[in-house]
Amino acid sequence: GAVVSQHPSWVICKSGTSVKIECRSLDFQATTMFWYRQFPKQSLMLMATSNEGSKATYEQGVEKDKFLINHASLTLSTLTVTSAHPEDSSFYICSARDSFRWNTDTQYFGPGTRLTVL
Amino acid sequence: AQRVTQPEKLLSVFKGAPVELKCNYSYSGSPELFWYVQYSRQRLQLLLRHISRESIKGFTADLNKGETSFHLKKPFAQEEDSAMYYCALSLTTDSWGKLQFGAGTQVVVTP
Repeated sequence: GAVVSQHPSWVICKSGTSVKIECRSLDFQATTMFWYRQFPKQSLMLMATSNEGSKATYEQGVEKDKFLINHASLTLSTLTVTSAHPEDSSFYICSARDSFRWNTDTQYFGPGTRLTVL
Repeated sequence: AQRVTQPEKLLSVFKGAPVELKCNYSYSGSPELFWYVQYSRQRLQLLLRHISRESIKGFTADLNKGETSFHLKKPFAQEEDSAMYYCALSLTTDSWGKLQFGAGTQVVVTP
């Protein structure tokens, strides 16, 4: 149980276009999901906290107009990279917390999405 | 601001030898500490957390508040332990449970 999926697993796009990445909790409900960014051979950097039915909370230095997050249901959060540029190329990972296991801090991670902007 | 430090980028050990991955943190309050592991071509997964005080796959980690450390140890490394290991911190004051990760340590266990 506790599986998180991401779609697509990789995407290549042209500079200036927008890309949407989906994060789904497959067998549990997730009030809270997180979006991370990982550069090659570096650690995960938290970008934002996505809360179902409310606005996302962005970490310092992350442009909210650049990285649009929508958490429309208890099983789906989306990250849209708007007007993507080559510097946005990275590995984007989402995680989700089980809403019914609030007393635990376990985050279940998705497999990640490789974004390459040409 | 809180910080998680993993001083070793790469740790190479022989099968059967002990392995210790260092993790230090800086935070004035009482954090919750975790170790996450990422095997080759797999997603990140929780290995263990300090509040559980359990041993998973032979690994243990003790939170030392005096030294602000949460080192991960295993007495006899196995080849299947080769992976990337991340130490992570969650603030008890943060209701969302946000995680801050260390830089990670790549463990290579050779036969």
